[in-house]
Amino acid sequence: GQQVMQIPQYQHVQEGEDFTTYCNSSTTLSNIQWYKQRPGGHPVFLIQLVKSGEVKKQKRLTFQFGEAKKNSSLHITATQTTDVGTYFCGGENTGNQFYFGTGTSLTVIP
Amino acid sequence: DSGVTQTPKHLITATGQRVTLRCSPRSGDLSVYWYQQSLDQGLQFLIQYYNGEERAKGNILERFSAQQFPDLHSELNLSSLELGDSALYFCASSVDPPGAANTGELFFGEGSRLTVL
Repeated sequence: GQQVMQIPQYQHVQEGEDFTTYCNSSTTLSNIQWYKQRPGGHPVFLIQLVKSGEVKKQKRLTFQFGEAKKNSSLHITATQTTDVGTYFCGGENTGNQFYFGTGTSLTVIP
Repeated sequence: DSGVTQTPKHLITATGQRVTLRCSPRSGDLSVYWYQQSLDQGLQFLIQYYNGEERAKGNILERFSAQQFPDLHSELNLSSLELGDSALYFCASSVDPPGAANTGELFFGEGSRLTVL
């Protein structure tokens, strides 16, 4: 079955440092979405990438979709304590199954 | 507030029992997804319904079943519960119009936390 792996599983950074999480799918994805889940909360949509090689930015966040549409990354510049949470990538395969990655838990140390 | 309502928020039950989790999607959303999130784990896709019909099935156990009703609300039934079924169960909805090439944004409810003792 499809697997979507994310690395790292956990990341601790000092406030102000950059952070990157990588998402890798075993199959080609029609699109990739990124979600953030705050501790004790529910996943909240951040962005969707559709095109091969697409790059999108949201303030300090930069999202990339790989050329083969099997991998993606989220980069946060100059992390803040409000960035704390778990970041999930997710995508739909040809079987209409929407799978999420294993998630990267980000801790920001003030 | 995502507009997706899940009940109950918390549920404590014993092994071997059966429970029903309910989800009301956002107004206008035809697709409903169910996910299971165990402690400090990822989101495991269980099943998806679109306008009353099963559209995709993931890693859903045979002891679990779901359905989407004509009013578009959905229920997830968990039976013969085991300790390992303790988890947070999320429902999500999306607009997902017919023929859409890609799944749209998923809106998640607050989740139903199930504890099996």
